[in-house]
Amino acid sequence: EAEVAQSPRYKITEKSQAVAFWCDPISGHATLYWYRQILGQGPELLVQFQDESVVDDSQLPKDRFSAERLKGVDSTLKIQPAELGDSAMYLCASSRGLADNEQFFGPGTRLTVL
Amino acid sequence: QKEVEQDPGPLSVPEGAIVSLNCTYSNSAFQYFMWYRQYSRKGPELLMYTYSSGNKEDGRFTAQVDKSSKYISLFIRDSQPSDSATYLCAMSYGGSQGNLIFGKGTKLSVKP
Repeated sequence: EAEVAQSPRYKITEKSQAVAFWCDPISGHATLYWYRQILGQGPELLVQFQDESVVDDSQLPKDRFSAERLKGVDSTLKIQPAELGDSAMYLCASSRGLADNEQFFGPGTRLTVL
Repeated sequence: QKEVEQDPGPLSVPEGAIVSLNCTYSNSAFQYFMWYRQYSRKGPELLMYTYSSGNKEDGRFTAQVDKSSKYISLFIRDSQPSDSATYLCAMSYGGSQGNLIFGKGTKLSVKP
């Protein structure tokens, strides 16, 4: 069964360090999403890609966060420098296309900033 | 007022009970409605996906959407201990605005 892959599964870092997360969507899925989920809350969108283009990054804290999907397949989300408040689960999801709202999530990367 | 409201629970039921989970929303422009199940420290798993008002059934799960009341529900029949998880409702406007707006999630515990 096709799945969204994410790595690493867990990351512990100190504040002011740089961290990066990787996501490989389901093969053939053109739309890719990064969400952040704080404990006890629902996921909230950070950035949405259609192929290699950013569709929505209005909620991405661009002073410290960046995201790319250079070849329109896998994607990287980076935080530099990390802050204590960035501790959360970072989830990647994909769907077939913009008109398809059926999104499938990966297992997530749990980030702890000390 | 948040766009999507969901009672966080926790909700505890005995095995075999019928479970009812609910969300309300404020924006009538939402077109697509989903329920996800999330086990502890895992990613959300899509359970049900519906468009517009009505019912959709899949095995022990039934999703209901009432757009006139801005209210969605998920029913779980013959609940099992393996159903113990957090259930998240989500909705989207559709089209290019495909990002999901989630509720906080309801934590369900099914006791053997």
